[in-house]
Amino acid sequence: DTEVTQTPKHLVMGMTNKKSLKCEQHMGHRAMYWYKQKAKKPPELMFVYSYEKLSINESVPSRFSPECPNSSLLNLHLHALQPEDSALYLCASSLGALAGLYNEQFFGPGTRLTVL
Amino acid sequence: AQSVTQLGSHVSVSEGALVLLRCNYSSSVPPYLFWYVQYPNQGLQLLLKYTTGATLVKGINGFEAEFKKSETSFHLTKPSAHMSDAAEYFCAVSPRAGGFKTIFGAGTRLFVKA
Repeated sequence: DTEVTQTPKHLVMGMTNKKSLKCEQHMGHRAMYWYKQKAKKPPELMFVYSYEKLSINESVPSRFSPECPNSSLLNLHLHALQPEDSALYLCASSLGALAGLYNEQFFGPGTRLTVL
Repeated sequence: AQSVTQLGSHVSVSEGALVLLRCNYSSSVPPYLFWYVQYPNQGLQLLLKYTTGATLVKGINGFEAEFKKSETSFHLTKPSAHMSDAAEYFCAVSPRAGGFKTIFGAGTRLFVKA
């Protein structure tokens, strides 16, 4: 299984809502990533988990809260978002990030988020 | 610090024509190099990668890329464009020393005319 799955595919939420995005992989990868992608732009790294521990937080606002319950699952909890947070949210996974590993990332299809 | 430059935000070719998408990187040590493709409303899919060894790398869908250290380039080519190749293409690098951060280029949108 070389697939990263994400649910839901689409999400519309109000600024006072709380919602969660889910990502799953069964490739035995130990690094998992959240990216935000605006239209016509490359993905921007938000968070990285390595061996279920938060390794990188790219100064993301606290209204985004990541969680890694186990090595196969990654969640992104959303609360009090702003309209400018509307974007495609991509999850990715890779073997790891040690020297010599080329960090090939496998991406999920993304969740299209709209904040009203 | 590493960086990636993709020349041309848009490239338009006719069906059957050569596709050439340009990528240059800046790094004191040649990094690992990748090309990803993204179709509308989808995630990124790896086309090909250069890690070590042969500098001409073949990928999926008939694409290939050549690593040229002297030119710090990793241009993507395909001999004959197909309508289904229309998509966004991202060149990316990650450091050989390890680390989680992949640096993406700004992307090149490929249009294929019938």
